[in-house]
Amino acid sequence: EAQVTQNPRYLITVTGKKLTVTCSQNMNHEYMSWYRQDPGLGLRQIYYSMNVEVTDKGDVPEGYKVSRKEKRNFPLILESPSPNQTSLYFCASSLGGLAGEERHTQYFGPGTRLTVL
Amino acid sequence: AQKITQTQPGMFVQEKEAVTLDCTYDTSDQSYGLFWYKQPSSGEMIFLIYQGSYDEQNATEGRYSLNFQKARKSANLVISASQLGDSAMYFCAIVTDFRKAAGNKLTFGGGTRVLVKP
Repeated sequence: EAQVTQNPRYLITVTGKKLTVTCSQNMNHEYMSWYRQDPGLGLRQIYYSMNVEVTDKGDVPEGYKVSRKEKRNFPLILESPSPNQTSLYFCASSLGGLAGEERHTQYFGPGTRLTVL
Repeated sequence: AQKITQTQPGMFVQEKEAVTLDCTYDTSDQSYGLFWYKQPSSGEMIFLIYQGSYDEQNATEGRYSLNFQKARKSANLVISASQLGDSAMYFCAIVTDFRKAAGNKLTFGGGTRVLVKP
């Protein structure tokens, strides 16, 4: 089954304790992205990656890191989490590329609910 | 910069009736893609339907259809024969400027909450 998986689905942690949220897709997609969803602010992009070893900042990258060492994986790293990073996080992927509109349909993982105390 | 506006924060619909969710967009790009996603109370984001800016026909996917009016910059979602499982938040989103890497970013509207009544 074609899918995007995220782990963990739920996480409660404390300020300053480093954590990683994993994201993996089995569709051979080039483009992967992380979003966070907050009440009243909607979905905002954190980081994205066009392909292996190619990553760039989205709209709200502060406090986050990412890496893309393999095409299928795109982990989100919070080096020193703070309470304002409490949110619902989504990983998404698409074929991507620079042509062909259908390639840009993004498929989302199930989400990770993070609470930072 | 692109923008999506969904003016209906919430609405009720009777089971088996059709419902139209409004979406207007603002972009100066000539090439763009419009998407609708469903987010049930469980939280996942489910892709429903896609419309390309150069598509001359309205997109359809099962009970979902997209009423695309390019001149008015609107991309309304129509759900026919509503079911109880259609109760969810619905988001309209846009991707523009595919020639740039950053153009793959989805810009979302604020969403419309739909509650289907039995």
